[in-house]
Amino acid sequence: DTAVSQTPKYLVTQMGNDKSIKCEQNLGHDTMYWYKQDSKKFLKIMFSYNNKELIINETVPNRFSPKSPDKAHLNLHINSLELGDSAVYFCASSSGRSSYEQYFGPGTRLTVT
Amino acid sequence: KQEVTQIPAALSVPEGENLVLNCSFTDSAIYNLQWFRQDPGKGLTSLLLIQSSQREQTSGRLNASLDKSSGRSTLYIAASQPGDSATYLCAVKGGSYIPTFGRGTSLIVHP
Repeated sequence: DTAVSQTPKYLVTQMGNDKSIKCEQNLGHDTMYWYKQDSKKFLKIMFSYNNKELIINETVPNRFSPKSPDKAHLNLHINSLELGDSAVYFCASSSGRSSYEQYFGPGTRLTVT
Repeated sequence: KQEVTQIPAALSVPEGENLVLNCSFTDSAIYNLQWFRQDPGKGLTSLLLIQSSQREQTSGRLNASLDKSSGRSTLYIAASQPGDSATYLCAVKGGSYIPTFGRGTSLIVHP
């Protein structure tokens, strides 16, 4: 299927642990994004990569580190997890950084206990 | 800093009604505006994308308009159906390519 996929779908972990979320798109897009959707369903951009170059970094704690090994993949690594990191994390992609529509993955629900 | 507001926050209507959802934004220097729907526990599905140079886009029973100068967009849903029940989000892509989302309109269409 042509899509944006994320793994895992659910992630339950304890405070202080380190975890990663993976995202892959097979749409041939060159721009990828990470969003956080909080408990009130507000969706906020965290990072964006265009052709493996970081172009958006929105006031995110440096415990969060994105990595783009190639244009089709964007991973998110989180160190020293905190309770406030509990949220749904969405990956998205688009063709180009400005004018084209974004396609979203199904989300990863992270619960920190 | 771009701010996006969606009104109303929630809407409950009987099946068959025509609906208007509103989205306003504070900075008119945008590349595009995109409407999404989100079903509970799911990702976002793109509905319509309007480029900054366009006035409206249509897809089936959906019509989205854009008035960039006044910082407004509307999503018109004709002949609503229970399957339209979802949260509708608008997102504006502005300066520095940063997408900004509104908080959404939660729509319930009851039979």
